[in-house]
Amino acid sequence: GQSLEQPSEVTAVEGAIVQINCTYQTSGFYGLSWYQQHDGGAPTFLSYNALDGLEETGRFSSFLSRSDSYGYLLLQELQMKDSASYFCAVNSGYALNFGKGTSLLVTP
Amino acid sequence: DVKVTQSSRYLVKRTGEKVFLECVQDMDHENMFWYRQDPGLGLRLIYFSYDVKMKEKGDIPEGYSVSREKKERFSLILESASTNQTSMYLCATRTGEKSEAFFGQGTRLTVV
Repeated sequence: GQSLEQPSEVTAVEGAIVQINCTYQTSGFYGLSWYQQHDGGAPTFLSYNALDGLEETGRFSSFLSRSDSYGYLLLQELQMKDSASYFCAVNSGYALNFGKGTSLLVTP
Repeated sequence: DVKVTQSSRYLVKRTGEKVFLECVQDMDHENMFWYRQDPGLGLRLIYFSYDVKMKEKGDIPEGYSVSREKKERFSLILESASTNQTSMYLCATRTGEKSEAFFGQGTRLTVV
């Protein structure tokens, strides 16, 4: 089966940097994805890591260590609009399994 | 832009009814998914399909079935709705196992 662990809540100040960790247990691992979901909205794709290392997309970066079954999402220069839920998801063959999500609150 | 359309935004059904949730995508994607989302539990995979007429169970298939007769349409069926199936249901689609998934806006189902 699949198992993903991430913190349930994180609070950070506007302009700061925050890291959301994700550990996973799975079979048939292809890669780790990150999704953002605002209240009342649908999840939207942020990033994907298939290989070890850091992927950067603007203010967001994502990291993967396959040997440690661990990844993180790094959000820099936080803005109020970044307040949302963030999900890590394991790509394992055809399936796509999500963690329980991390609720990020950005405060002034 | 990829468009994933779920047939209803809100739905209220009675216990024991057979319920159909429809999802249609316009981008010729092979893979389609059904999730339910509940507070504190994240997105849980119910069923997925990687081709027409092909289906695989996810983590919580009990009480559900699916149908994929055409590539663009993936239906979730609640054979006999129960109150514990009250939830937000999300459909998603993607073109391959390494690509991003696109979600519909969700169907909030209430079973009374």
